[in-house]
Amino acid sequence: KAGVTQTPRYLIKTRGQQVTLSCSPISGHRSVSWYQQTPGQGLQFLFEYFSETQRNKGNFPGRFSGRQFSNSRSEMNVSTLELGDSALYLCASSTQGGKETQYFGPGTRLLVL
Amino acid sequence: GDSVTQMEGPVTLSEEAFLTINCTYTATGYPSLFWYVQYPGEGLQLLLKATKADDKGSNKGFEATYRKETTSFHLEKGSVQVSDSAVYFCALSDLGDYKLSFGAGTTVTVRA
Repeated sequence: KAGVTQTPRYLIKTRGQQVTLSCSPISGHRSVSWYQQTPGQGLQFLFEYFSETQRNKGNFPGRFSGRQFSNSRSEMNVSTLELGDSALYLCASSTQGGKETQYFGPGTRLLVL
Repeated sequence: GDSVTQMEGPVTLSEEAFLTINCTYTATGYPSLFWYVQYPGEGLQLLLKATKADDKGSNKGFEATYRKETTSFHLEKGSVQVSDSAVYFCALSDLGDYKLSFGAGTTVTVRA
């Protein structure tokens, strides 16, 4: 089976712009989660989707949003980018979510200038 | 809420040394526990997991036992190799949370 794929792998944006990141889960997985990784804050949960419904959301401002499509692919969007949004954004998928193992993609590295 | 406390790094070892990374957790329910590893420039890979008390997860020579009485899930390896150099994350997932809660990560460097 192919693993979790994320596009793009690298992205450079300027403050005030918006960005959309994409995640394709492992075939058959319906739960997709997003995490932000920074040197200062570590790994922080953004949100989780299952069958196009957001079931949980982390403590991030409303500039961070996401969605999931009927084929389980997911996108996350960050509007009005700030310097502090520079991070590695990781997507993970699992069959049902909850206590199951989550499998991670390689991440999208976002640099905001 | 649920949380994970992980041994601070960095940890530097010589090849064939014994590795232990301490991990303790706080959870309201009965979580699943995980160790993930991250190599430079990559995402997280599952190293091992345990889903109930006294379960021992093992993989690639690494082991960790789910200790409910001490709320711990310490990672051990008897003889490390240079290729084990990476960042290790302890994590938990509780029923109904639909997320992983991570420790801060421990950077391990193994020298030949």
